[in-house]
Amino acid sequence: DAGVIQSPRHEVTEMGQEVTLRCKPISGHDYLFWYRQTMMRGLELLIYFNNNVPIDDSGMPEDRFSAKMPNASFSTLKIQPSEPRDSAVYFCASSRGQGFADTQYFGPGTRLTVL
Amino acid sequence: GESVGLHLPTLSVQEGDNSIINCAYSNSASDYFIWYKQESGKGPQFIIDIRSNMDKRQGQRVTVLLNKTVKHLSLQIAATQPGDSAVYFCAEILRTGGFKTIFGAGTRLFVKA
Repeated sequence: DAGVIQSPRHEVTEMGQEVTLRCKPISGHDYLFWYRQTMMRGLELLIYFNNNVPIDDSGMPEDRFSAKMPNASFSTLKIQPSEPRDSAVYFCASSRGQGFADTQYFGPGTRLTVL
Repeated sequence: GESVGLHLPTLSVQEGDNSIINCAYSNSASDYFIWYKQESGKGPQFIIDIRSNMDKRQGQRVTVLLNKTVKHLSLQIAATQPGDSAVYFCAEILRTGGFKTIFGAGTRLFVKA
């Protein structure tokens, strides 16, 4: 398996622009997670899905952020409009389940820079 | 990936020595705990996990110890190798209807050859 695939790997945009990050989870995994990593706040869970349904979006910073999972093999995280403080590395992860021993596999991340 | 960078605690060890990385967690009701390794330019990678009803768990060259009395978790790496150089995160998982994962700030491990 290719693992979790994220695109783009790097994104540089200007404040106010819309940004869309993409993720393809590992086939057969029922859970998909979006994380954000910054120097100041470390690694934070933004939202996760179970069988394409959003379960907990309490980590989404504000209404400018939205996430969708239209099918089992694809998810997007959208920021509109983007702001400089959104600059971070965004990780997608997937797992079979959510209990003990249900390992989350992380993608390589998308490094977002908002100017 | 961009790890939590300049302000991370750092541990520097000689190749072949044992490493001990520590983590204090916050919630006594956490269901289980995970250690992750993050190398530069990559996402976190699972190393080992431990249930809250266990004190110790061993993997290949790694051991995790859990002290619930003081809410402390440690990761021991035996015979540390240059390839072990990375940032290590602990995570606590709370069962709250669903599951909530809370990551620690991370520790940067340097292995000197």
